[in-house]
Amino acid sequence: DTGVSQNPRHKITKRGQNVTFRCDPISEHNRLYWYRQTLGQGPEFLTYFQNEAQLEKSRLLSDRFSAERPKGSFSTLEIQRTEQGDSAMYLCASSSQGNEQFFGPGTRLTVL
Amino acid sequence: AQSVAQPEDQVNVAEGNPLTVKCTYSVSGNPYLFWYVQYPNRGLQFLLKYITGDNLVKGSYGFEAEFNKSQTSFHLKKPSALVSDSALYFCAEGSQGNLIFGKGTKLSVKP
Repeated sequence: DTGVSQNPRHKITKRGQNVTFRCDPISEHNRLYWYRQTLGQGPEFLTYFQNEAQLEKSRLLSDRFSAERPKGSFSTLEIQRTEQGDSAMYLCASSSQGNEQFFGPGTRLTVL
Repeated sequence: AQSVAQPEDQVNVAEGNPLTVKCTYSVSGNPYLFWYVQYPNRGLQFLLKYITGDNLVKGSYGFEAEFNKSQTSFHLKKPSALVSDSALYFCAEGSQGNLIFGKGTKLSVKP
């Protein structure tokens, strides 16, 4: 499968713990995006990278959230000191500049 | 600021009938408009896009959408609905790079 992959698919954690998610984009895509989706809502933009540069961050991305794309390929999204309000589906997407975004299956986070 | 509205939470259609899922947008400048579909426990799948050109855009699985600048709308259509089209549909605007999504419309197609 040459689509966008995300790991893990599900993560259950206790409040206050740190979690890290990984996204592997389509190999020739230079842009990578992170979104968050809660039940009954459309995905909300968090941040995006062009190659290894993080070009934009949403105000939704509090200082507990950090994202990296160190070599311009895969990306990680870390949430520190998780809160129950962080429970959501975290979606990754990739694209070639200016074209449609292709989404991965998502990582469902549950914070107990 | 960009925004996208999907005025219907749910659309019910009988199999074989035409379907329309509505979307309106607000953006300064020229819009980049997209439709995605989401099946249960799966990621979003791209259906079609409008960037420029013909106002009627054809996409995957027999879907099409009509861009109407004067009404700031980008409604999704299909001439004959299938039960397998039942899913959650999202309209999105992407002129700034990231996508701004509507809340989604649940399409239910009954046999």
